[in-house]
Amino acid sequence: TQLLEQSPQFLSIQEGENLTVYCNSSSVFSSLQWYRQEPGEGPVLLVTVVTGGEVKKLKRLTFQFGDARKDSSLHITAAQPGDTGLYLCAGGGGATNKLIFGTGTLLAVQP
Amino acid sequence: SAVISQKPSRDICQRGTSLTIQCQVDSQVTMMFWYRQQPGQSLTLIATANQGSEATYESGFVIDKFPISRPNLTFSTLTVSNMSPEDSSIYLCSVEVGGTNTQYFGPGTRLTVL
Repeated sequence: TQLLEQSPQFLSIQEGENLTVYCNSSSVFSSLQWYRQEPGEGPVLLVTVVTGGEVKKLKRLTFQFGDARKDSSLHITAAQPGDTGLYLCAGGGGATNKLIFGTGTLLAVQP
Repeated sequence: SAVISQKPSRDICQRGTSLTIQCQVDSQVTMMFWYRQQPGQSLTLIATANQGSEATYESGFVIDKFPISRPNLTFSTLTVSNMSPEDSSIYLCSVEVGGTNTQYFGPGTRLTVL
């Protein structure tokens, strides 16, 4: 069974701090997505990475796909209250097109 | 990308009744997915719904409890049948776009069963 473990599970920080969220698996994925979900809404896609070692930046967010395509990280620089939400990684690959979702990281950024 | 709407956005239902959730996409898509999510937790896939074929259910989910229709490439419904309080959850539909396993989600339906 493919599993994606995220750490930390919960994170409460002050505005302006930096943070990193990790997404780890023993399985290889052909693609890895990161989503952010706010209360009362569906997950919103932040990024898709498909190449081992790939790094993508989205303003203050930096995403990295591990060389072996088994893990990923999300780094946020100078966090803002608008970054608050549930962050989910999801691994894809295989004939079924299904995504395996990570366990989730709930981030609260205090002003 | 794709724009997805769901109806209803929320509902409160009595146990033993059924609720049908609608999912509408602004473009034709082959693959649609239905998920369940407890607030603050991750997503659990219920089934994959492809147009023109029977839905494929994940372990722990059965067609009698969660019948799905997929009449065309822009629409799907999920019915939660004979509801109990344990069915209280957020139900989300999504579509795959772009061929890289990337999925786009609807806003979700928050269901409370009393």
